[in-house]
Order: sequence, then structure tokens, then C-alpha cells
Amino acid sequence: DAKTTQPNSMESNEEEPVHLPCNHSTISGTDYIHWYRQLPSQGPEYVIHGLTSNVNNRMASLAIAEDRKSSTLILHRATLRDAAVYYCILRRLFGGNNRKLIWGLGTSLAVNP
Amino acid sequence: GAGVSQSPSNKVTEKGKDVELRCDPISGHTALYWYRQSLGQGLEFLIYFQGNSAPDKSGLPSDRFSAERTGGSVSTLTIQRTQQEDSAVYLCASSSHVGQETQYFGPGTRLLVL
Repeated sequence: DAKTTQPNSMESNEEEPVHLPCNHSTISGTDYIHWYRQLPSQGPEYVIHGLTSNVNNRMASLAIAEDRKSSTLILHRATLRDAAVYYCILRRLFGGNNRKLIWGLGTSLAVNP
Repeated sequence: GAGVSQSPSNKVTEKGKDVELRCDPISGHTALYWYRQSLGQGLEFLIYFQGNSAPDKSGLPSDRFSAERTGGSVSTLTIQRTQQEDSAVYLCASSSHVGQETQYFGPGTRLLVL
């Protein structure tokens, strides 16, 4: 399975944008990029996913590099409730291991008031 | 609609005892996953159920771990003869097996083996 690399931790101020990077240099053509986040003492929750084009939803935006070897999750205006561990995961659309999500350690985001 | 629920939310047991953890997936979701998360770590895949297909048990760490899914809905993860290293949060997720299969997680069961 292709792996992802994320910074261990990041810090932001409330109401400022946050850019969370993820490197996935061994990504294959059928790998989707998924982001989940895990708030303290909770199960992970889906944030966003994409393949090639940038994606926007109510929670965040996902910017995908043209060569797809990296991506950035963008929180446009951080709130205290966005403090969480953010996981970047590759999901292959086809293949026997499609169902497994390989989780790294993610990026722990702290938001300062 | 109800999300994924898990019970118990917390479980403290003595080394050597058996424990059962329960997961109620979102109604209509055909795929169900169990993960384990040790303190400060990412999620570790344990087992995956999809419809009537044989489960993918490749992540189970030892033969003390087993899981079943009855009627394609509720799942039970059983740990026999628990060890202290089994202490972790056990997370269940379900997905609809459509498209990219976003996984919806339950709150987890925090297991402490003394």
C-alpha cells in the first residue's frame, strides 16, 4: 500500500486558515486521497476525499498537486472545535486490499484562541 | 438517523478473562470494520465484513481475537484470555459499499486489562 507522510503536529490561531500537508510520492493512478479527523476521545470522522481535482465541501477544501504526489487539506477559518488529529489516507479503488485503510499517526492540530 | 453505536463504552477486566465488544452499524450498511487504537497511535485494522462474503481477518493479532457478524448487521469482537497489551480503544466503522465507501465510526470501546 502506498504510504503517506504528514507532520506530527501543527498549530494555528482561531479564525485563521490552516493548511495541513500530506506527501504521497508513491501514489498510484487509482488511489483516492482521503482525509479523516479524530477529535479527542472520539472515533474518526470523514472530512473529504479526491482523486485529481481540487474538492470543496462544507468542512474543508482539498488541494491536490498536479503530479498527485502531495495534497493539502485547507480549513478556511479554524475554530477551537477543529483541534484534532488529521489523517491523510490513500484508498485504492480496485484490488483486494481496497477495504483496508492504512492509518499513519496523522497531524495533531492545536488551535489557539 | 442513528450512527454507529458501540457497547460498552468502557470495559475494565482482569488479565486472563474473556471480553465481548459489540458494534451496531448504520442501518443498511453492508460493510463493517473493526480497528484498534493504542494510546497515541494511529488505527490498526483488525477485521472487515462485507455482506455474505468471507471476512478479511488478516489484521487479527492472534487467535485469541475473533469476530462475528450476525444477520449482516450487529458484530461482536471477542478477545479470549485478555492480556495487558490488549488494552486499547476498539473502534468499529461501517460503510455503504458504494463509491469510495466513506467509513462512519462509532465512539469506540475503551478496554483496560489489569
